[in-house]
Amino acid sequence: GEDVEQSLFLSVREGDSSVINCTYTDSSSTYLYWYKQEPGAGLQLLTYIFSNMDMKQDQRLTVLLNKKDKHLSLRIADTQTGDSAIYFCAERPDNAGNMLTFGGGTRLMVKP
Amino acid sequence: DVKVTQSSRYLVKRTGEKVFLECVQDMDHENMFWYRQDPGLGLRLIYFSYDVKMKEKGDIPEGYSVSREKKERFSLILESASTNQTSMYLCASSETGGALPDYGYTFGSGTRLTVV
Repeated sequence: GEDVEQSLFLSVREGDSSVINCTYTDSSSTYLYWYKQEPGAGLQLLTYIFSNMDMKQDQRLTVLLNKKDKHLSLRIADTQTGDSAIYFCAERPDNAGNMLTFGGGTRLMVKP
Repeated sequence: DVKVTQSSRYLVKRTGEKVFLECVQDMDHENMFWYRQDPGLGLRLIYFSYDVKMKEKGDIPEGYSVSREKKERFSLILESASTNQTSMYLCASSETGGALPDYGYTFGSGTRLTVV
């Protein structure tokens, strides 16, 4: 199967941490990605992780990868109102050529 | 700064019109993609192209066609627009796999099309 699954919605208070979860299906995926889509805009690459890594940290962002469970998460520390957006995870399976498979997106709402 | 440019942010067309959505990338990417995005349905792939003059159907090609006469330009064509094609359309491009690191897709800002 090619379903990448995410919960639809997450609401947090400003200053709290947000954790957005994603489960993917293809254990051959070499790269996994997080994209951010602000209202009315396209998707922007937020971060990515190579499959031989368990964790990647980039300023307020921490990506955790559990290959055994095919689980990817994005943690945003000290969440700000500007982080309100839709977050998409995506995988690139080895046998899919150049194709990415996207999750349905998680809408993050940050309350002041 | 690398860019994927979609010619229109907002477009309103009448039912039955032929509609062209244009996408241009300046990164010399081989691969280009057209998606539509609807609430609750995520991103759905319409068509993609691996090379000039080459096209492949995605998951929902019905009612659409594409054109890739030059490497940098990938056009989406709605032959006869219908109200169910009202949506946000996103263009993306990517390098052919093998380059490290792999940055995945670069997206345009999107075109919100309304068919009345």
